[in-house]
Amino acid sequence: ETVLTQSPGTLSLSPGERATLSCRASQSVDSRYLAWYQQKPGQTPRLLIYSTSSRATGIPDRFSGSGSGTDFTVTISRLEPEDFAVYYCQLYDTSSFYTFGQGTKVEIK
Amino acid sequence: QVQLQESGPGLVEPSGTLSLTCAVSGVSINIDTWWSWVRQPPGKGLEWIGEVHYKWHTNYNPSLKSRVTMSIDTSKNQLSLKLSSVTAADTAVYYCARNGDWSQASWGQGTLVTVSS
Repeated sequence: ETVLTQSPGTLSLSPGERATLSCRASQSVDSRYLAWYQQKPGQTPRLLIYSTSSRATGIPDRFSGSGSGTDFTVTISRLEPEDFAVYYCQLYDTSSFYTFGQGTKVEIK
Repeated sequence: QVQLQESGPGLVEPSGTLSLTCAVSGVSINIDTWWSWVRQPPGKGLEWIGEVHYKWHTNYNPSLKSRVTMSIDTSKNQLSLKLSSVTAADTAVYYCARNGDWSQASWGQGTLVTVSS
């Protein structure tokens, strides 16, 4: 089973700053199978990025995803107030199907 | 636009069976896609439970496989989840979702299920 480790656990930034969130897999994965979700407090998770770098419907272009092999990143170019949330990466594989990372919280500094 | 709405008992006794349904609207469930269940214990992260296809194919999280049953009712356009032998560790918000490209593209609002006597 491939384990996903997200870092940092918490990211404290100000609106307008750039945020870089990391997701590391315990072994090399197919980049088609790596997704990211955003979850605001008290809300449902929302698909942000799929297949490493494809933005989901309605996601603004300040969000971008990249990576390959074991290291993946989602970047928020300029934080808006509504971007402060918890972000999860997720991997699909044929043995355990879908697994999530433990999440990174982006909080207002 | 697809909409999903979970429903079911909010309280289940330990050792009992948790049963939830997810009503799907805006799209026929009878399409070539997978439908997932995901849960989230209070204050914790997300855990994928499993997925079901309208042709009754299923895939389950290996850690829950022995206790999970998922089904689909095309006449009612809804899916169902059953989780047996529940304990307090199964207390969580349960979400149903429509899969997209190796991901969960659309989510219901979720329903909290508490396991307690």
